[in-house]
Amino acid sequence: VVLTQSPLSLPVTLGQPASISCRSSQSLVHGDGNTYFNWYHQRPGQSPRRLIYKVSNRDSGVPDRFSGSGSVTDFTLKISRVEAEDVGVYYCMQHTHWPHTFGQGTKLEI
Amino acid sequence: DVQLLESGGGLVQPGGSLRLSCAASGFIFSRHWMNWVRQAPGKGLEWVANMNPDGIRKLYVDSVKGRFTISRDSAQSSVYLQMSSLRVEDTAVYYCVRDDQDWGQGIMVTVSS
Repeated sequence: VVLTQSPLSLPVTLGQPASISCRSSQSLVHGDGNTYFNWYHQRPGQSPRRLIYKVSNRDSGVPDRFSGSGSVTDFTLKISRVEAEDVGVYYCMQHTHWPHTFGQGTKLEI
Repeated sequence: DVQLLESGGGLVQPGGSLRLSCAASGFIFSRHWMNWVRQAPGKGLEWVANMNPDGIRKLYVDSVKGRFTISRDSAQSSVYLQMSSLRVEDTAVYYCVRDDQDWGQGIMVTVSS
C-alpha cells in the first residue's frame, strides 16, 4: 500500500490553520470494519509520536487543535491554529495491510 | 510510564551481523505486539518487522526477509532483532515500537566498510 502525502513542505504562520492530505493506493478498511490509519509527529532529533489513531482519535495529551478525518483512501490532518511546538515532520501510516507503510512525510515550518 | 530502551547498535561491515535488543517496562509485555521500525539518515520511516503477543506470528518487510529475525522473551520483557548479511542500505536508526503507539529513543546501526 502506497501512501502519498501532500504537500511535502508546508510553510505556515503562527496562529494560522494547516492541513495535510494523505491518499492511499487502496482501501484501508479492514475486514473487521476498522480503518487502521494513524498520524505521527516527529520533531528534529526525536522519535515519532503518535497523534491520531484509527483516522480521528486523538492520543492522550494531544492538543485539541489537532484533528483527523477521512475514510477509505483519503485522509486529512488539520491543525486549527499552528503553534511553534508543531514544527517537524508529520507522517501518515496504515496498518490495515502488511507491510505497514508510511507516507513520505510533510515538513511543517514556521 | 511505557519505556522502551534499545541497545546493541553500532558500526558493522557489509555482510556482518548485529543483534538489537529492546528492554520494555511499564506495561504487561505479553499482551502487546512488538515491532521494529527504521529510519535511514535524512529519510522517512520504514516498518521492518513485527511479532504478535504470543510470539507465533512474525512479519517482515520484503527487503529484510531471510536476513532479519525478530524474537521476544516475555520473562525478560524484551524484544530482539537479529540482523545478518547486512547491507549498506540497512544503515538507519532502528526504533522499538509497542503496538503502533509507543516508540523507543532509537539506536543507530551503520553498515560500512
